[in-house]
Amino acid sequence: DIQMTQSPSSLSASVGDRVTITCRASQSISSYLNWYQQKPGKAPKLLIYAASSLQSGVPSRFSGSGSGTDFTLTISSLQPEDFATYYCQQRYITSWTFGQGTNVEVK
Amino acid sequence: EVQLVESGGGLVKPGGSLRLSCSASGFTFSSYAMHWVRQTPGKGLEYVSAITNDGDSTFYADSLKGRFAISRDNSRNMLYLQMSGLRPEDTAVYYCVLSSAVHWGRGTLVTVSS
Repeated sequence: DIQMTQSPSSLSASVGDRVTITCRASQSISSYLNWYQQKPGKAPKLLIYAASSLQSGVPSRFSGSGSGTDFTLTISSLQPEDFATYYCQQRYITSWTFGQGTNVEVK
Repeated sequence: EVQLVESGGGLVKPGGSLRLSCSASGFTFSSYAMHWVRQTPGKGLEYVSAITNDGDSTFYADSLKGRFAISRDNSRNMLYLQMSGLRPEDTAVYYCVLSSAVHWGRGTLVTVSS
């Protein structure tokens, strides 16, 4: 299996802050990397696909970068509705694997 | 509009069995692979299983092989997950996911407890 390691596991931030979350794959996954946002009691919502492509309807303050083994999700200016848990996911092989999640909470 | 609606979850004793269903609508079901993903209470997301659009190939998380079986009925736009030999650690919300990963169902809760 491909292991996905996210960091940090949690962070505290304020509205307007720039937030960066990283994800590392245990082997190269090219650009087969998705980012999700999840709020309590809800299914994950796709934000970024193919490492850097913004899913339709997602605000442009979200961006993704990276390829190979190292990836980054950036929120350029954190908004109140962005406090949530974020997950990375590899789609390089059919047996998807997910990072352990990053909880973005109010500072 | 794409809709995925899971059903069949509930409380089951350890060692028991359960069949989850996912009703799909709003897209050509027979054209897409489908996945099951689960989320344990308060924890992260875990891949469970996948099936190709024609049902000819199936994939499982290594830890679940032999206990879970995925299937589909393209004539009914239905996806299934047959679970047997259930363990307390299988307690989770189970999501049905379209291969694009854009569309997820709301999930169905499976609780394995005596």
